[in-house]
Amino acid sequence: EDKVVQSPLSLVVHEGDTVTLNCSYEVTNFRSLLWYKQEKKAPTFLFMLTSSGIEKKSGRLSSILDKKELFSILNITATQTGDSAVYLCAVGTDSNYQLIWGAGTKLIIKP
Amino acid sequence: EAGVTQFPSHSVIEKGQTVTLRCDPISGHDNLYWYRRVMGKEIKFLLHFVKESKQDESGMPNNRFLAERTGGTYSTLKVQPAELEDSGVYFCASSQDFPPRTNEKLFFGSGTQLSVL
Repeated sequence: EDKVVQSPLSLVVHEGDTVTLNCSYEVTNFRSLLWYKQEKKAPTFLFMLTSSGIEKKSGRLSSILDKKELFSILNITATQTGDSAVYLCAVGTDSNYQLIWGAGTKLIIKP
Repeated sequence: EAGVTQFPSHSVIEKGQTVTLRCDPISGHDNLYWYRRVMGKEIKFLLHFVKESKQDESGMPNNRFLAERTGGTYSTLKVQPAELEDSGVYFCASSQDFPPRTNEKLFFGSGTQLSVL
């Protein structure tokens, strides 16, 4: 059965710290891995990764995929209270049109 | 540009009652998806429309759930009769890309929090 596992489940750090969120997967016919940020409402798209070793970057956020070891990390540097959210990882496959989701990492940034 | 909108944002009903959730996708998006997140668990796929047709409904839990998308615009998800285990957040998402295999970038609605008592 396809599955996506995120760790940690929750994380509390202080402003200014750097955090690394993990997403590992076991799926057949891997196509892409996506990161979403969910604050109070709708999940919003962060990154889509399809190739190993190529870092995607957006401001203080960056992400990279390792297709050999089957995981991705999401890094946030110089964290701010506005980064507090649930970070969701999802994997798309060539098998169907569905996305397989992890349970999310709840990140809390303390001032 | 308006995003994906869902109505209502919250619904509290009693076991055995009927609830209908509505989703208005981004205008021009042929692909519409329903997802559900039960508290503490991962988001689960329910079904996928391409225009008015059901492309994949393999994630629908049982026949108490009925989704429609008349005219290929907005969609409704009806739960009848609702059970306690149906409680959760129901997300709708839409995407533009066609054919649907390039559905990776989804635009999500804010979700409907359904509580069945």
